[in-house]
Amino acid sequence: GENVEQHPSTLSVQEGDSAVIKCTYSDSASNYFPWYKQELGKRPQLIIDIRSNVGEKKDQRIAVTLNKTAKHFSLHITETQPEDSAVYFCAASPGGSYIPTFGRGTSLIVHP
Amino acid sequence: EPEVTQTPSHQVTQMGQEVILRCVPISNHLYFYWYRQILGQKVEFLVSFYNNEISEKSEIFDDQFSVERPDGSNFTLKIRSTKLEDSAMYFCASYREVNSYNEQFFGPGTRLTVL
Repeated sequence: GENVEQHPSTLSVQEGDSAVIKCTYSDSASNYFPWYKQELGKRPQLIIDIRSNVGEKKDQRIAVTLNKTAKHFSLHITETQPEDSAVYFCAASPGGSYIPTFGRGTSLIVHP
Repeated sequence: EPEVTQTPSHQVTQMGQEVILRCVPISNHLYFYWYRQILGQKVEFLVSFYNNEISEKSEIFDDQFSVERPDGSNFTLKIRSTKLEDSAMYFCASYREVNSYNEQFFGPGTRLTVL
């Protein structure tokens, strides 16, 4: 089955800095890669996603890149703000039935 | 904006008891899921449900677990005989493939505590 590795487990940055979270996956059949933000005690919320026919996608301060050959994808957050502090999960899913395999999460702490 | 809802928000039960966790997916969604998240750990897939039957299930989803869509709106997860290690947050999710993008919406979760 799919195996998703996510690094780092904790990321601490100063407000205004950029943050990068990296994930790798093992199953070449995976073609959908969502990123979720989970605040403490809350539900995971989709913040951005990318499909395997696209190399990069951007939405305001967040962007995701995908390297299908190397089987890795990354989340980039620019101009971080304290409200970006949360746990971020990457996931990989095959097409057709949406059965995502999640990474272990990255706890992002943005210091004011 | 439509949301996935779950009840109860917190369930406390004794080991060996049966629990039923309830979810109301978004009304025009076609695929339904249950996930589990043990405190401080990653989200784990349990089961997916489509067209009134299970389409996929993980190794976690053993004979103690069952799902049902009893009335066309609710989607339930039953654990027949709870164990201490079943203590976790259980998330329901639903999605309807829209313009070929698989956007999945999570409910707020039910925190299950098994004593």
